[in-house]
Amino acid sequence: AQSVTQPDIHITVSEGASLELRCNYSYGATPYLFWYVQSPGQGLQLLLKYFSGDTLVQGIKGFEAEFKRSQSSFNLRKPSVHWSDAAEYYCVITSNDDYKLSFGAGTTVTVRA
Amino acid sequence: DVKVTQSSRYLVKRTGEKVFLECVQDMDHENMFWYRQDPGLGLRLIYFSYDVKMKEKGDIPEGYSVSREKKERFSLILESASTNQTSMYLCASSQYNYGYTFGSGTRLTVV
Repeated sequence: AQSVTQPDIHITVSEGASLELRCNYSYGATPYLFWYVQSPGQGLQLLLKYFSGDTLVQGIKGFEAEFKRSQSSFNLRKPSVHWSDAAEYYCVITSNDDYKLSFGAGTTVTVRA
Repeated sequence: DVKVTQSSRYLVKRTGEKVFLECVQDMDHENMFWYRQDPGLGLRLIYFSYDVKMKEKGDIPEGYSVSREKKERFSLILESASTNQTSMYLCASSQYNYGYTFGSGTRLTVV
């Protein structure tokens, strides 16, 4: 079965600093990977996705993620965070023969002034 | 843009009540899903449906059932609500596994 692990439950970062959120996956074949963000009181919004091809994926709001098969990782990065980036971030996995999404437990990002 | 609409934003129900959570999507998507979201656990799949009248259990189906009589509507049913079903419930739809759209969620409190 496919699964994802987000090792960091909570990260605090200063506004303007860089951010990296870790995600490790477990799946035998090529996974489809997503990062979603959920702001307080809001629904889930897709930041970016990886299916194949270029392993560095650009998303919305200045986020990017890098797929590393050798490390089974799909880490999310942003060079300079804004206060509005404070939210819950989910790494999500599925595959080309499955319609179900499996979510990590989430990482809460707090941005301090 | 695909819209997934959940009929209620907040619900308060009593223990033992039968509860219906409704979800409607407007883009003719084949697949629909119900998740519950709890702090520290992320989103966990309750049930999903890949076609009208078709359903499959997810990871935590106990205490729930679903109904999909029309392609655009997917209902989650709590047969006899219990306090441990207090949670945020999220509906989603997708066409294959390329793009998933989530509703805004229903926060259910069972007292």
